[in-house]
Amino acid sequence: GAVVSQHPSRVICKSGTSVKIECRSLDFQATTMFWYRQFPKQSLMLMATSNEGSKATYEQGVEKDKFLINHASLTLSTLTVTSAHPEDSSFYICSARAGGSYEQYFGPGTRLTVT
Amino acid sequence: AQSVTQPDIHITVSEGASLELRCNYSYGATPYLFWYVQSPGQGLQLLLKYFSGDTLVQGIKGFEAEFKRSQSSFNLRKPSVHWSDAAEYFCATPEDSSYKLIFGSGTRLLVRP
Repeated sequence: GAVVSQHPSRVICKSGTSVKIECRSLDFQATTMFWYRQFPKQSLMLMATSNEGSKATYEQGVEKDKFLINHASLTLSTLTVTSAHPEDSSFYICSARAGGSYEQYFGPGTRLTVT
Repeated sequence: AQSVTQPDIHITVSEGASLELRCNYSYGATPYLFWYVQSPGQGLQLLLKYFSGDTLVQGIKGFEAEFKRSQSSFNLRKPSVHWSDAAEYFCATPEDSSYKLIFGSGTRLLVRP
């Protein structure tokens, strides 16, 4: 149980375009989903927290207009990187937790490359 | 403020040898603690967790961890390491009054054949 999927696993896009990443909890209802960014050989950096049906809460320094997060259902959250630039290239990971639980279950990650 | 420290950036062990990865936490009350493993290019997988009760917790893949309040530690152990255990390991604890996780900086495990 507690499986989280992410799609796509890898995406290449051109500078100035937008790209959407999906995160799904497959076998549980995710009260909260989290979006992280990870640079090579570093720990995870939390970008935002999203609760189903609410606006996402962004961490300091994360541009909410650039990284649009939607959590429309208890099993799906999306991260849209708008007007992507090469510096947005990174590994993006989502996680999800069920209500009343502190455990987070992570997706397999999405490698974004902006050319 | 809470924090989690993983003092070792890299650890190299020989296959078949025992392993201990260190994690120290800073918090007043008994914390919730997690160990996650990340293989290259992958997401994180939960190895084990401590909430309360028995201070020695068993996890998946033959890992265990022991909560020691006197030392503010939650070290991860495995009696015999396999080459497939080579990965990055993260210790984490929830942030007070939220469900956000505070991660340590990670320890990269290398396994010598």
